[in-house]
Amino acid sequence: DAGITQSPRYKITETGRQVTLMCHQTWSHSYMFWYRQDLGHGLRLIYYSAAADITDKGEVPDGYVVSRSKTENFPLTLESATRSQTSVYFCASAADNEQFFGPGTRLTVL
Amino acid sequence: ILNVEQSPQSLHVQEGDSTNFTCSFPSSNFYALHWYRWETAKSPEALFVMTLNGDEKKKGRISATLNTKEGYSYLYIKGSQPEDSATYLCASTNAGGTSYGKLTFGQGTILTVHP
Repeated sequence: DAGITQSPRYKITETGRQVTLMCHQTWSHSYMFWYRQDLGHGLRLIYYSAAADITDKGEVPDGYVVSRSKTENFPLTLESATRSQTSVYFCASAADNEQFFGPGTRLTVL
Repeated sequence: ILNVEQSPQSLHVQEGDSTNFTCSFPSSNFYALHWYRWETAKSPEALFVMTLNGDEKKKGRISATLNTKEGYSYLYIKGSQPEDSATYLCASTNAGGTSYGKLTFGQGTILTVHP
């Protein structure tokens, strides 16, 4: 299906484990983004990518790693999950001055 | 890092009321201002993108204005309906990058429209 998808939609993990959240878009948009939603902070940018193999830090990158080997995929990895990373994560892609958001992944770190 | 503020934090109105809320952002180095509508359990949906001082955009009963010199934008909803209930987010980007990147979001205004 066309659009932007995220997987998994829900994930429960334990402190210290590595977790990868997947983001896939079918529009061939150059720009992709990862945000986290936190109470009182709205959406905060974690990382973004201007094209394949080009990534840059956002506002809250610590504890996260991204890669972009293909234009359509932009996975976000938590190398060693912490409870403070419990959040809802949104992926987005952009074209023509507009960002399109995925459905979100709700991550709980116990 | 930009500081984008929205007010009020939440708003309760009756069906049929018109309402408006504010987004303030640093006016220096401004590039673009975005408004999003975000329903519970869904993803944010773009409403408007504005770049020029004095810009005014409209989509149905919703409209927005932009003042880049003083650093604020208003979102207006005319004749609110229960289906307008959502969180309304604004986000700003600086010049020097592109309008695609590094959106800085405000905390949002939660609108509840009572039948």
